[in-house]
Amino acid sequence: EVVLTQSPATLSLSPGDRATLSCKASQSIDIFLGWYQQKPGQSPRLVISDASDRATGIPARFSGSGSGTDFTLTISSLEPEDSAIYFCQQRNNWPFTLGGGTKVEIK
Amino acid sequence: QVRLLESGGGVVQRGGSLRISCVTSGFDFGTYGMYWVRQSPGKGLECVAMIRYSGSDPRYADSVNGRFSISRDNSRNTLYLQMSSLRLDDTGVYYCAASYGDTNYFVLWGQGTLVTVSS
Repeated sequence: EVVLTQSPATLSLSPGDRATLSCKASQSIDIFLGWYQQKPGQSPRLVISDASDRATGIPARFSGSGSGTDFTLTISSLEPEDSAIYFCQQRNNWPFTLGGGTKVEIK
Repeated sequence: QVRLLESGGGVVQRGGSLRISCVTSGFDFGTYGMYWVRQSPGKGLECVAMIRYSGSDPRYADSVNGRFSISRDNSRNTLYLQMSSLRLDDTGVYYCAASYGDTNYFVLWGQGTLVTVSS
């Protein structure tokens, strides 16, 4: 099973700051990694697929990069509504696994 | 409007059985792969079962293999999860999720149904 390790656990930043979230896979997963945003009381929402493809309706301030084992989600200029937990998910191997999440707090 | 509505959750004793359902509307159910993803404080998010858009090749996480069974009825736009021999660590919110074809990213989600396994 592919283990996804996310860091940091919590990111506390101000509006307008740049947020950089990391997801590391225990083995190579090519580009087959997605990112999800989950706000309190809501279901997760797909943000990025295949490492760098923004999902429908996702603002351009969200971008993804990486391949192999190291991946990054960047939010270029934080907005208050970006406060959420972000999870990564790999689809290269079954079982499809998800990381433990990074909580982004807006000061 | 796209909707995925789970039902059937509740409190069940350890060793018991439960079937949860996900009724969908607003998208072409028969062209989407479907999944059950559970979320618990102890294990985070875990994709426990999947079934292809055709209904073939069901797959299970090791933690539920042999105890859970996923199925779908494309004529009713409905996904099911039959759970048996339930354990305390099966407790969690169970979401149904969908991906277009075999893309295997969860583009659509339900609101979740809570399953609590009691001792």
